[in-house]
Amino acid sequence: DADVTQTPRNRITKTGKRIMLECSQTKGHDRMYWYRQDPGLGLRLIYYSFDVKDINKGEISDGYSVSRQAQAKFSLSLESAIPNQTALYFCATSDLRQGGGEKLFFGSGTQLSVL
Amino acid sequence: EDKVVQSPLSLVVHEGDTVTLNCSYEVTNFRSLLWYKQEKKAPTFLFMLTSSGIEKKSGRLSSILDKKELSSILNITATQTGDSAIYLCALAAYSGAGSYQLTFGKGTKLSVIP
Repeated sequence: DADVTQTPRNRITKTGKRIMLECSQTKGHDRMYWYRQDPGLGLRLIYYSFDVKDINKGEISDGYSVSRQAQAKFSLSLESAIPNQTALYFCATSDLRQGGGEKLFFGSGTQLSVL
Repeated sequence: EDKVVQSPLSLVVHEGDTVTLNCSYEVTNFRSLLWYKQEKKAPTFLFMLTSSGIEKKSGRLSSILDKKELSSILNITATQTGDSAIYLCALAAYSGAGSYQLTFGKGTKLSVIP
């Protein structure tokens, strides 16, 4: 099945450590996104990319960076993790040809805990 | 700033009940409104409503967009325990140069008890 795969599924790290979350997709979609979800705050956009050479900041990009290594791969880095980055992180994809691009397909999420 | 407000934040019903979830929004340049269901982890797409498609239905679920009232409802009839989930409403609004952004509401947590 065409899918959006995130690794790792869970990660516990310490304050100050560098962390990379990875996302790969087999859907052939051009657009990829990183969201974080915090209890009571809903989903918030961190970064998005409409193609390999396109990177855009979202609502809450401070403290994060991304890399679009290929159409199918989009990674999120926390250069120096801090406790308030503890959250559930989602990668998502969309395709302009399907519903205008706002119909998102989500990965299963990465639960990150920063101690 | 675009806003999406969902109500109620949580809801407990018995199997067989009909429920209505609400989503109201403030937006400058409306493009579409979407509903997602989040059961365990990954949200999954339910409906997309636009100016040209203000009502959608799939089985026991249906959704209506009211552009005049700036709101949408998600109806679930004859609820089942498998409908227990967080239901997310998202608003797509144009942000200039043909681009658009999605803003999510905080979600409504629905619990269906046998």
